[in-house]
Amino acid sequence: SQELEQSPQSLIVQEGKNLTINCTSSKTLYGLYWYKQKYGEGLIFLMMLQKGGEEKSHEKITAKLDEKKQQSSLHITASQPSHAGIYLCGADGSGTASKLTFGTGTRLQVTL
Amino acid sequence: DTEVTQTPKHLVMGMTNKKSLKCEQHMGHRAMYWYKQKAKKPPELMFVYSYEKLSINESVPSRFSPECPNSSLLNLHLHALQPEDSALYLCASSQPPDRRDEQFFGPGTRLTVL
Repeated sequence: SQELEQSPQSLIVQEGKNLTINCTSSKTLYGLYWYKQKYGEGLIFLMMLQKGGEEKSHEKITAKLDEKKQQSSLHITASQPSHAGIYLCGADGSGTASKLTFGTGTRLQVTL
Repeated sequence: DTEVTQTPKHLVMGMTNKKSLKCEQHMGHRAMYWYKQKAKKPPELMFVYSYEKLSINESVPSRFSPECPNSSLLNLHLHALQPEDSALYLCASSQPPDRRDEQFFGPGTRLTVL
């Protein structure tokens, strides 16, 4: 079965600082999804990457999938308190888009 | 309408009770999912329905019984649960799995089993 390891597990950054979260897969990624979750709530979709070398941006968040398709990074520029939450990467590495496996999660706190 | 709704928001039940969780979407999605999330853990897939048919059951105990009455509704029937079943239950929907689109998640039902 596919395993996704995220690093760091938790992160505290000062408002305005940049940060990067990594997601490493034990197998080739066919589709990599980034979600954000506030404590005890549903997941909010951020971005999906499929092709090796692909990079997508939305507002201040940029996600990349490396060429070998086994690692992804999520970069936040000029962090804000609204960025706080748990970031989860998800993958359908089995080749079946419905079997989404999630990473271990990264808890982000943004201090004023 | 781009949201998935779940009811109830919170549920407390005894081990002998029978209850149901409900999920609804009106985005025309033909795939719907149930996930279980324990505290400080990522969500884990339980069931997948594709075109109203059960396509994936991740070896979930029979005390959890899913039902998809139509393309907009998904239920999870609960019976004789154990305290370790207490968790956040998340519903999601997407276009059919072969299209590899994102899954839209509901806010979840927080279940406590006493």
